[in-house]
Amino acid sequence: DAGVTQSPTHLIKTRGQQVTLRCSPKSGHDTVSWYQQALGQGPQFIFQYYEEEERQRGNFPDRFSGHQFPNYSSELNVNALLLGDSALYLCASSSSPGTGFGANVLTFGAGSRLTVL
Amino acid sequence: AQSVSQHNHHVILSEAASLELGCNYSYGGTVNLFWYVQYPGQHLQLLLKYFSGDPLVKGIKGFEAEFIKSKFSFNLRKPSVQWSDTAEYFCASHEAGTASKLTFGTGTRLQVTL
Repeated sequence: DAGVTQSPTHLIKTRGQQVTLRCSPKSGHDTVSWYQQALGQGPQFIFQYYEEEERQRGNFPDRFSGHQFPNYSSELNVNALLLGDSALYLCASSSSPGTGFGANVLTFGAGSRLTVL
Repeated sequence: AQSVSQHNHHVILSEAASLELGCNYSYGGTVNLFWYVQYPGQHLQLLLKYFSGDPLVKGIKGFEAEFIKSKFSFNLRKPSVQWSDTAEYFCASHEAGTASKLTFGTGTRLQVTL
């Protein structure tokens, strides 16, 4: 059990559609980060949410947006899907930034595999 | 910008062979370094981490890694691999103080044969 739960596990969309992926962090964690893992590649950082605000962002276009709820769960939204958005989307949780080493250790979920046709 | 390089993309070893996977990072400042493992069909799991102190760190399942600052390296080792070590291994780093924003390498797929 990863402690981080993601849904859905698999989904198929067509180009131009929109998708929402969901994540519940590990108990005791309040910071959520999202990563995109394309086939054969390492995970790429999309953004991080803490206190319901986007705190850091990687090199992803504005089509990628997110949200964090008061219970620390999070959503990743991708608009106007492209074929290149096909990937495994990973959610990772950690403790609050600035709380020492714990903030630097991520717990990952199993991911949501998105296929864009 | 930071980058992490893993030069071994696919490694095949027989059981009981020794393992060393290379990892080099590019950032010149203070970094925290990690090795994650992804077993088939499972989530990414932390193998070990280096923040400071003893450059030889020990992780789970008999893995260890050595931080060599002069070489910008953090290679993963295991003296004797098992079939159950078959997985994908990712090296990752982040600038100390930038909590959670990890930069990953492209991964090394390890296949252990019986």
